[in-house]
Amino acid sequence: QVQLQGSGPGLVKPSETLSLTCTVSGGSFSGYYWSWIRQSPGKGLEWVGYIDYTGSTNYNPSLKSRVTLSVDTSKNQFSLRLSSVTAADTAVYYCARRVAVSGTGNWFDPWGQGALVTVSS
Amino acid sequence: DIQMTQSPSSLSASVGDRVTITCRASQSISSNLNWYQQKPGKAPKLLIYAVSSLQSGVPLRFSGSGSGTDFTLTISSLQPEDFATYCCQQSYSIPYTFGQGTKLEIK
Repeated sequence: QVQLQGSGPGLVKPSETLSLTCTVSGGSFSGYYWSWIRQSPGKGLEWVGYIDYTGSTNYNPSLKSRVTLSVDTSKNQFSLRLSSVTAADTAVYYCARRVAVSGTGNWFDPWGQGALVTVSS
Repeated sequence: DIQMTQSPSSLSASVGDRVTITCRASQSISSNLNWYQQKPGKAPKLLIYAVSSLQSGVPLRFSGSGSGTDFTLTISSLQPEDFATYCCQQSYSIPYTFGQGTKLEIK
């Protein structure tokens, strides 16, 4: 059973860079796109972007100028860097596997437990 | 971006009730609609993908329907463990977007 575990600092100062890593265990790393999704306190879910094992990426245009996703296949890990953060970037950041089935669609499953990142000085 | 609008935003119901939650897309998304359940302090959990396909392990009391712009999630007979927030998500085009959620509370 695939499991995802996110990790990283819980506190980031304004204007600095948020960095999170997600470790995938119990299943194949290749053949899927690996995603980041965030949820601001009391608000809805926002898709940040995804990356596959080759490093191919797709980002939410609203965040594209500040987001970089990377992958380390030797460790079955993928990472998120979000630069120039503000208080508006305070959120729980989830990593998730994007499953895509040709002719059917794509969805997120499973999700990691989530990492709360607070932007504050 | 495709806007996803859920109604109602909150709902009070009793164990055994039949409940329907609606999700409307701002443009046609064909059948690219997924539903998630989220409990407090937990990550969302996939319930239904591609409008009506039940994820493995999800009870049969959950069902989904719709196409184009209008979709519904139905719980046929509410159980105590179903009280949670439900959220729809379109996977038709990037950026993927989610509804704001429907909080299902015990009456």
